[in-house]
Amino acid sequence: QSVLTQPPSASGTPGQRVTISCSGSNSNIGGHTANWYQHLPGTAPKLLIYNNDQRPSGVPDRFSGSKSGTSASLAISGLQSEDEADYYCSAWDDSLSGQVFGGGTKLTVL
Amino acid sequence: QVQLVQSGAEVKKPGASVKVSCKASGYTFTSYDINWVRQATGHGLEWIGWMNANSGNSGSAQKFQGRVTMTRDTSISTAYMELSSLRSEDTALYYCARKFRGTVGLDVWGQGTTVTVSS
Repeated sequence: QSVLTQPPSASGTPGQRVTISCSGSNSNIGGHTANWYQHLPGTAPKLLIYNNDQRPSGVPDRFSGSKSGTSASLAISGLQSEDEADYYCSAWDDSLSGQVFGGGTKLTVL
Repeated sequence: QVQLVQSGAEVKKPGASVKVSCKASGYTFTSYDINWVRQATGHGLEWIGWMNANSGNSGSAQKFQGRVTMTRDTSISTAYMELSSLRSEDTALYYCARKFRGTVGLDVWGQGTTVTVSS
């Protein structure tokens, strides 16, 4: 059972906009910033979003993040086949004195 | 280019210890924290701990406290993660990753090291 709750799966068709949610509590997302990663099979995770809504250089602006209260969201617009991957949220947790990840969401591009 | 290169796959017996290395290049090693994350087959990402590469200070997730030791050798820009009292549930792909400044986001990752615990 992950501290941060994500839907196990999401799907969309090419060109569509998809949103993935990440629900936490006051000890993590509520008091700290959220990050998002894309994880393709056989590769290392890739940082997509940091500090709720910031993109590292090289990440397309099709990817955007937001936070409201104790939840964060990742939106992917103009969905492409290469976006099919697992997506994870993360945040620092004061109660656990450590970083926590969501359980991951498997995105399927139909 | 900025990269982290990890040591090769390990096979260990239950109760043994494993030490994974993570060599940094392309940036000033002591300017960034190194984190360790693992993923067991069919499971999600699990945070193990962090280490300040300059001071050597470290912290770990509660479930690993007492079993994990994170160290570094600044002369060769290499971080190490040693996990002791291994059990079958520790079988996983272990990653080192650099913490992006001003956030707990991890912006550069190693290629991963497979650790298999089996009798």
